[in-house]
Amino acid sequence: AQTVTQSQPEMSVQEAETVTLSCTYDTSESDYYLFWYKQPPSRQMILVIRQEAYKQQNATENRFSVNFQKAAKSFSLKISDSQLGDAAMYFCAYRSAGKSGSRLTFGEGTQLTVNP
Amino acid sequence: DAGVIQSPRHEVTEMGQEVTLRCKPISGHDYLFWYRQTMMRGLELLIYFNNNVPIDDSGMPEDRFSAKMPNASFSTLKIQPSEPRDSAVYFCASSLRLAPWNEQFFGPGTRLTVL
Repeated sequence: AQTVTQSQPEMSVQEAETVTLSCTYDTSESDYYLFWYKQPPSRQMILVIRQEAYKQQNATENRFSVNFQKAAKSFSLKISDSQLGDAAMYFCAYRSAGKSGSRLTFGEGTQLTVNP
Repeated sequence: DAGVIQSPRHEVTEMGQEVTLRCKPISGHDYLFWYRQTMMRGLELLIYFNNNVPIDDSGMPEDRFSAKMPNASFSTLKIQPSEPRDSAVYFCASSLRLAPWNEQFFGPGTRLTVL
C-alpha cells in the first residue's frame, strides 16, 4: 500500500518570503499522480498543484511550484511571495494511475502560518 | 457548475441516533468518494463508487456505517447508531475517470458532532 508522509506538522513564513513544504511517499508503482491540496479555515479542499510521475519537468502554477524527485520519492511544494491568504493546512496526496487506483492517499498535513 | 454539494454543513446529534449525510456530485462525474477527516487519523477514504456501484468499501469503519448511491446525482452516508467517536468532518468528492489528471473535486464537508 502507498503511504504519504509530511514530516512538518507546522511551518511559518513571513509575508512576501518563500517557504517549502516537504512530502515523501512510498510506492512500488511507476505511474502515478501527486497533488498538493490546500484546506483553509473554511474547510474546503482546494487543489493547488499536481504532477504526473512520468513527467520530469516540475509543475508550476503561478507562485506555487514543486520539486519532484522521483528516485527519492520526494514531492515538495514551494510557495513564493507568500501572501496572508496562503495560510492554511496543506496536504500532499498520492493517486495511482493504475486501473484500480482511484483513491487519494493523503499525508498528515502541514499547517502553514503567514506572518504579516 | 455548482461543484460538489453536501448537506447538511453541520450536524449535531446525540449518541444512538441515526445520521444521514448527503452528497450531490458534479454532473457527469462517474466516480464518487466519501472521506472522513479527524485529528487522530487525518483524511481517510471510507468508500468510493463508480457509476453508482460501490467499488471499495474497505475504509468503512464498521457495520454502523453504510453508503448508497441510488443514482448518478445523489449519494448518502448513514451512521446508525451514531457514537461520539464518529465526530469528524465528512467530505464527499467526485471525479471524471477519463480526465487526464483524475482530479477529485471536494465538497465543503459536513461537520458531525455526536454528543
